[in-house]
Amino acid sequence: NAGVMQNPRHLVRRRGQEARLRCSPMKGHSHVYWYRQLPEEGLKFMVYLQKENIIDESGMPKERFSAEFPKEGPSILRIQQVVRGDSAAYFCASSPLGTDHEQYFGPGTRLTVT
Amino acid sequence: AQTVTQSQPEMSVQEAETVTLSCTYDTSESDYYLFWYKQPPSRQMILVIRQEAYKQQNATENRFSVNFQKAAKSFSLKISDSQLGDAAMYFCAYRSDFHNAGNMLTFGGGTRLMVKP
Repeated sequence: NAGVMQNPRHLVRRRGQEARLRCSPMKGHSHVYWYRQLPEEGLKFMVYLQKENIIDESGMPKERFSAEFPKEGPSILRIQQVVRGDSAAYFCASSPLGTDHEQYFGPGTRLTVT
Repeated sequence: AQTVTQSQPEMSVQEAETVTLSCTYDTSESDYYLFWYKQPPSRQMILVIRQEAYKQQNATENRFSVNFQKAAKSFSLKISDSQLGDAAMYFCAYRSDFHNAGNMLTFGGGTRLMVKP
């Protein structure tokens, strides 16, 4: 059973460009979470999604950031008009149905904005 | 809102010795889960151990054990017989068990563990 997949692993964008980060959950998992890790800090929750539904986006910046988890295909975290402060590692995690499950993390995408 | 605090930015331990990493948290809830995650240089987040708040018995996974003090809101991780492969960042995390709270994890700032040969 393949783990959580994230791509790309490294992404370089210039200021003002768009960044698209993809996450494929583990097989059978229908819950996806996105976290951001700034340098030398812990992970911060961004958004929690189920298929075709955003459950909790309380950690998402109000502007430029959006996330989706379509019926088919991976979850996408989209950052428009990136700025240097968006440089961070972005982690995706997935879990199966229910609340009493661990979250399994992907390897992360390291975004660098130049 | 819940907060998780790790007061030790860095710790070091001699190989084969025991080390304890500290974690405190703040919550008004009675039902929740606590976790320790390891993040090696590869940056992959690896679950080390979890504790359900309703369980009084401390969780143990091989060389890893926790000291869960619910009243003190303390959740420390003890690593016995430390190995070079234990060197990593360690993050303490909290998750509410409240139905409408969502399933997000709240992380502490991390402790960098160095293991000396």
